[in-house]
Amino acid sequence: GENVEQHPSTLSVQEGDSAVIKCTYSDSASNYFPWYKQELGKRPQLIIDIRSNVGEKKDQRIAVTLNKTAKHFSLHITETQPEDSAVYFCAAKKSGNKLTFGGGTRVLVKP
Amino acid sequence: DGGITQSPKYLFRKEGQNVTLSCEQNLNHDAMYWYRQDPGQGLRLIYYSQIVNDFQKGDIAEGYSVSREKKESFPLTVTSAQKNPTAFYLCASSILASGYLTDTQYFGPGTRLTVL
Repeated sequence: GENVEQHPSTLSVQEGDSAVIKCTYSDSASNYFPWYKQELGKRPQLIIDIRSNVGEKKDQRIAVTLNKTAKHFSLHITETQPEDSAVYFCAAKKSGNKLTFGGGTRVLVKP
Repeated sequence: DGGITQSPKYLFRKEGQNVTLSCEQNLNHDAMYWYRQDPGQGLRLIYYSQIVNDFQKGDIAEGYSVSREKKESFPLTVTSAQKNPTAFYLCASSILASGYLTDTQYFGPGTRLTVL
């Protein structure tokens, strides 16, 4: 089955700096890659996703890049703010299959 | 995601007791899922259901049971056979198109179960 590795497990950045989280996946047939943000004690919320037919997607300060050849994808957060502090999860799936989540990255934005 | 509710928010049970967690959605989603989350860890799939009266085991189904008698509801029972049931339980749902599990899952607020 699919295996998703996520790094780093914790990330501390200064407010205004960029944050980058990387995930690798094992199944080359995977074609959908969402990112979820989970604040303490709350539900995970989808913040951005990308499908295998594109290499990059942006939404304001958030972007995701996908390298199908290397089987990895990354989340980029620019101009970080204190409200970006949360746990971020990547996931991967292929059509007709279930989502497989990475282990999560705890991001702390220091004012 | 506001259309998925879980109750209760916090649940305390004595060891050896079965307990049922509720998950309801009014999004008209076909597929529903149960995940377990332990502190500092990712989400692990317990069970999922694509259609009423049908469900499949996920990665950690042992010690759990589910039912899907209505499209809107997917309750999870944590049985006494579950060795370490204390965790945060999340329910999710998604649209099912063309018989495949579609992509975007929306999560409920979660139930934190503590077994004493």
